[in-house]
Amino acid sequence: NAGVTQTPKFQVLKTGQSMTLQCAQDMNHEYMSWYRQDPGMGLRLIHYSVGAGITDQGEVPNGYNVSRSTTEDFPLRLLSAAPSQTSVYFCASRQSRQSYEQYFGPGTRLTVT
Amino acid sequence: RKEVEQDPGPFNVPEGATVAFNCTYSNSASQSFFWYRQDCRKEPKLLMSVYSSGNEDGRFTAQLNRASQYISLLIRDSKLSDSATYLCVVLARLNQKVTFGTGTKLQVIP
Repeated sequence: NAGVTQTPKFQVLKTGQSMTLQCAQDMNHEYMSWYRQDPGMGLRLIHYSVGAGITDQGEVPNGYNVSRSTTEDFPLRLLSAAPSQTSVYFCASRQSRQSYEQYFGPGTRLTVT
Repeated sequence: RKEVEQDPGPFNVPEGATVAFNCTYSNSASQSFFWYRQDCRKEPKLLMSVYSSGNEDGRFTAQLNRASQYISLLIRDSKLSDSATYLCVVLARLNQKVTFGTGTKLQVIP
């Protein structure tokens, strides 16, 4: 199993550009989520999904969209990038909402200039 | 007050030392507790769950004190490879919300 994969590993965007961060898992996990990690802030939940076709907002959803058309994939879209979105983004999955162990992808380091 | 608070460190300790980290949480309805480890520029990985009775995994011991709302992680006989950031994680009972602490950085020195 590859686990949770994310692409790209690094990305530089100009303010106003849009892009999609890709996330996929091959563990047949129901629950997937996106976090951002900033110095001194810890991991903050952006959006999450409890299954294909179901998504919901987390703690910091503004400026981001998600969709979950399949169990495996959970892309994160930045609609119009802003410097405040410079961060490290982690995708994570767990078997179900009640499961406690989360598996994280390797992260995407995004810089918005 | 933050939902989960940790001393950011860094804790600089010599090899072989014993080091302890504490984490406090504000939601008394929290259900489950964990320690994750995050190496520099890597993703977090589950280190161990924390049970009310306390649990041990090799050199690592985790304790939970529900009355005082804190959890702890004790590392004995520190190794250079223990150098990392340790994240305290709390799972809420009602909505299954997962909250991460900001992490405590440990540097084990030769």
